[in-house]
Amino acid sequence: EVQVVETGGGLIQPGGSLRVSCVASGFTVSSNHMSWVRQAPGKGLEWVSVFYFGGSTYYADSVKGRFTISRDNSKNTLYLQMDSLRAEDTAVYYCARGGAGKPFDYWGQGTLVTVSS
Amino acid sequence: EIVMTQSPATLSVSPGERATLSCRASQSVTSNVAWYQQKPGQAPRLLIYDASTRATGIPARFSGSGSATEFTLTISSLQSEDFAVYYCQQYNNWWTFGQGTKVEIK
Repeated sequence: EVQVVETGGGLIQPGGSLRVSCVASGFTVSSNHMSWVRQAPGKGLEWVSVFYFGGSTYYADSVKGRFTISRDNSKNTLYLQMDSLRAEDTAVYYCARGGAGKPFDYWGQGTLVTVSS
Repeated sequence: EIVMTQSPATLSVSPGERATLSCRASQSVTSNVAWYQQKPGQAPRLLIYDASTRATGIPARFSGSGSATEFTLTISSLQSEDFAVYYCQQYNNWWTFGQGTKVEIK
């Protein structure tokens, strides 16, 4: 059974850093394109970053230079390192399989990141 | 950036009736459009991809159509579990989502 589980969210002060994780089961992260998508409270969906299976990474302009996507193949895990956090980064962060001309077919339940003093 | 515009923002429908949701792209996205369903407190669920292909396990009452800039999601006979927010997404040039259509009970 395919499953995606995010962890690591929490309350963080503006300017702080946080790393969220996404553990996959039922498929191999390194053989798939993997993305992060976020949803601010009461708002719509926004693509944040993608890690192509070949190793290329890309970011939305809103997070470029502040967020870093990475993966640990031995742990079948995707990460999102978030630095210089702002109030507008407050959202549920979802990990999803998909990218490069493909939709997002499997999503985790999300992890809430709240940036506030 | 390709902007996806959904209409209406809210659709009030009685159980058993048909629901038609629209999505317009600011430029051609060929058939690289997906539709997702999201219920409160849950992650989005993929319903339709490539504009008209149902994802695994999705009931036949859900259908998608369209190409280029105009797309439609049709729910032929609304069931109680179908009341939710629906998002369209283009994946032709990066990934952008519409703002959502809430399907509520009339």
